[in-house]
Amino acid sequence: EAGVTQFPSHSVIEKGQTVTLRCDPISGHDNLYWYRRVMGKEIKFLLHFVKESKQDESGMPNNRFLAERTGGTYSTLKVQPAELEDSGVYFCASSQGLGDGYTFGSGTRLTVV
Amino acid sequence: GENVEQHPSTLSVQEGDSAVIKCTYSDSASNYFPWYKQELGKRPQLIIDIRSNVGEKKDQRIAVTLNKTAKHFSLHITETQPEDSAVYFCAAPSGAGSYQLTFGKGTKLSVIP
Repeated sequence: EAGVTQFPSHSVIEKGQTVTLRCDPISGHDNLYWYRRVMGKEIKFLLHFVKESKQDESGMPNNRFLAERTGGTYSTLKVQPAELEDSGVYFCASSQGLGDGYTFGSGTRLTVV
Repeated sequence: GENVEQHPSTLSVQEGDSAVIKCTYSDSASNYFPWYKQELGKRPQLIIDIRSNVGEKKDQRIAVTLNKTAKHFSLHITETQPEDSAVYFCAAPSGAGSYQLTFGKGTKLSVIP
């Protein structure tokens, strides 16, 4: 079984630029989550998709962040325009149902300079 | 929402000794408590989880205990080995029936050979 795949693994962009992160969940997992870990801090929730619908986006920091999951398969997270405080590791995870442990992707390390 | 506190933030043990990491949570309705291990540069991986209908669960050298009255749960690693060195995160659902997990800040465990 293929795991959760994230692309790119690293991204360095200048403040004000746009970056798009991609996540391919485990096939058949309806639930897809985005989390972020800023340097040395906890892993913080951003949002949760059930299939193509946003179930909970309460963790999205502001309207510079836009997540989509077209067709309920892969998801993208776009940051536009990027700010310095957006730097961190962005993790995607997927699960089959409630109470199932997440399977995480390897993350995208975003550095905004 | 849920608040998860994790202690200690760093832990060093001699190889062969035991390690204990503790977490407290605030939402008494929480019913699922996973633990994740993140090795340097890798993805967080689910290592063990416990549900609120049991008080302890073991898997080889790893065990998790849950005290619902006190709202705390702990990870116990016995006979530690250098490959146990990693950052460990506890988590709890952000409310009953929630798919969103709230993570602790992590514990960096170093096992000294």
